[in-house]
Amino acid sequence: SQTIHQWPATLVQPVGSPLSLECTVEGTSNPNLYWYRQAAGRGLQLLFYSVGIGQISSEVPQNLSASRPQDRQFILSSKKLLLSDSGFYLCAWITGLSSYNEQFFGPGTRLTVL
Amino acid sequence: RKEVEQDPGPFNVPEGATVAFNCTYSNSASQSFFWYRQDCRKEPKLLMSVYSSGNEDGRFTAQLNRASQYISLLIRDSKLSDSATYLCVVVPNSGTYKYIFGTGTRLKVLA
Repeated sequence: SQTIHQWPATLVQPVGSPLSLECTVEGTSNPNLYWYRQAAGRGLQLLFYSVGIGQISSEVPQNLSASRPQDRQFILSSKKLLLSDSGFYLCAWITGLSSYNEQFFGPGTRLTVL
Repeated sequence: RKEVEQDPGPFNVPEGATVAFNCTYSNSASQSFFWYRQDCRKEPKLLMSVYSSGNEDGRFTAQLNRASQYISLLIRDSKLSDSATYLCVVVPNSGTYKYIFGTGTRLKVLA
């Protein structure tokens, strides 16, 4: 069965520090991968999605970046965190090319920027 | 107009009640629809897909109304464990990989 891992689970970082969040998927190949952010009391904001290794689409211009160095690995990074980067970061995946496929989420990383 | 809109609630209902949520979408060409459940401080989890003909899973029924551009979720015989935020999700076009999430409707089932 497929599983998705995210780490760390929680993170507290000072403003201006770098960030690296990792997401890995097991039990499937060539998944479409997504990064979302959910601010407190808000909806899910799509940040990036990837349809393959090295292929990243950015939805919102900001100080975050994403990379996909391996088929089942998706990394979210920042060189300098802002207070507004605080939130719940969720990685998700779907299989196949059909938009009828359900999307599945990892357990998330809760980031607090102080 | 937002791409996907939901009443944020909260909907406070007694155990055993029937409750319904609607979710409207703006893109008439939207192809796929889903309902997710999100518990406090947890990731969203798929509740059910929404098919054109409507579908039922136990106490949960989902409907799609393309003419009026909304989807609905009906929960019968509410349980305390149904308390959560319910997110509707719309995929605007075939061939795109974007899933548009509503901000969610919060449900509280009261003893």
